Amino acid sequence: QQPVQSPQAVILREGEDAVINCSSSKALYSVHWYRQKHGEAPVFLMILLKGGEQKGHDKISASFNEKKQQSSLYLTASQLSYSGTYFCGTEYGFGNEKLTFGTGTRLTIIP
Amino acid sequence: DAGVTQSPTHLIKTRGQHVTLRCSPISGHKSVSWYQQVLGQGPQFIFQYYEKEERGRGNFPDRFSARQFPNYSSELNVNALLLGDSALYLCASSKGQVRTNYGYTFGSGTRLTVV
Repeated sequence: QQPVQSPQAVILREGEDAVINCSSSKALYSVHWYRQKHGEAPVFLMILLKGGEQKGHDKISASFNEKKQQSSLYLTASQLSYSGTYFCGTEYGFGNEKLTFGTGTRLTIIP
Repeated sequence: DAGVTQSPTHLIKTRGQHVTLRCSPISGHKSVSWYQQVLGQGPQFIFQYYEKEERGRGNFPDRFSARQFPNYSSELNVNALLLGDSALYLCASSKGQVRTNYGYTFGSGTRLTVV
């Protein structure tokens, strides 16, 4: 069961904010967030563990709602460098030693 | 510090052939995972190895196999290649197993084309 991300794609002007959502149909142990630029490998942004904590660095932050089995990634005052496809990766708990990636959200920042 | 290195970067094979992809994790990282990424989709989990033992296997046929060596490097082998195996194969290393709060560092991948 692949987590579903929304929106599928979004276009923003530099300086605008964006929210990307990741929803799972199964209980989550943790959520990872990655950004992948065209032709490059995914780059790790952050990991959130169950417990509902919010993390962030610079102008990118994320929250994890364990009860709703959802995570959201927040990008504030977006920069051109934020363009790329964002993937959430979910872990489902003991015995499931893998990261399941979401459907992806393509973010385009224009000047 | 060197990142995750994968070889080769590109590969063209014929249907029915066999292929071996290689990965060297970041120094000190004991976990290596393999993912297949088809254009326009997210990475799909193939295998995870930790301390040279298989700790997870994705929904891939037995034609796919892997192993991890004492120096924590890893190989992914695919037998009897099909056209549908054409994809970007990503290797990711991590300090610990999946559920030990560490993120993955991905290599640049091997682009496999099966003709």
